[in-house]
Amino acid sequence: GQNIDQPTEMTATEGAIVQINCTYQTSGFNGLFWYQQHAGEAPTFLSYNVLDGLEEKGRFSSFLSRSKGYSYLLLKELQMKDSASYLCAVMDSNYQLIWGAGTKLIIKP
Amino acid sequence: IAGITQAPTSQILAAGRRMTLRCTQDMRHNAMYWYRQDLGLGLRLIHYSNTAGTTGKGEVPDGYSVSRANTDDFPLTLASAVPSQTSVYFCASSIAGAFNEQFFGPGTRLTVL
Repeated sequence: GQNIDQPTEMTATEGAIVQINCTYQTSGFNGLFWYQQHAGEAPTFLSYNVLDGLEEKGRFSSFLSRSKGYSYLLLKELQMKDSASYLCAVMDSNYQLIWGAGTKLIIKP
Repeated sequence: IAGITQAPTSQILAAGRRMTLRCTQDMRHNAMYWYRQDLGLGLRLIHYSNTAGTTGKGEVPDGYSVSRANTDDFPLTLASAVPSQTSVYFCASSIAGAFNEQFFGPGTRLTVL
């Protein structure tokens, strides 16, 4: 079966760095996406990785290791507005997204 | 319209009633999707359409139907609602293909009593 695992909840301090991990087992791989979802709102796109390595975009970076079925999202210089759920999703061989349950990130001052 | 819209925003529905959730996008995306999101679970794909005139079943299609008469609209119909269909429903659209982010509508919160 297809499976995406990520921690349910994480807590971090404003100004700090946090790493959210995602492991996956899917039928085929056409890229891994990270989305941000604030409470009561729609998911919004953060990043996409299809090759191994690190993609940096401002305060956010995403890493992929296809051989390990592993990705992480790194958030630097945390701000209170980063309090949200972070969703990991893998595009399978049918070009459909398989979603993890999301990691709720709580930022404390 | 800017982006993707959904209607209604929320709805309380009696079990057994028929309900259509509306979704419209103005980005000329060829692919559209319907997901449901339940607490503790990831987004689950109900139905999708890669282009106008075609539709496909996702992970949880039972009890739902869709149509794609044109590029912009992708309504989702619950023929006879049941309490297990209580959920938040998101419509999304994208350019079909590997790397193409999906853009989401604001969601419809549906409660079936």
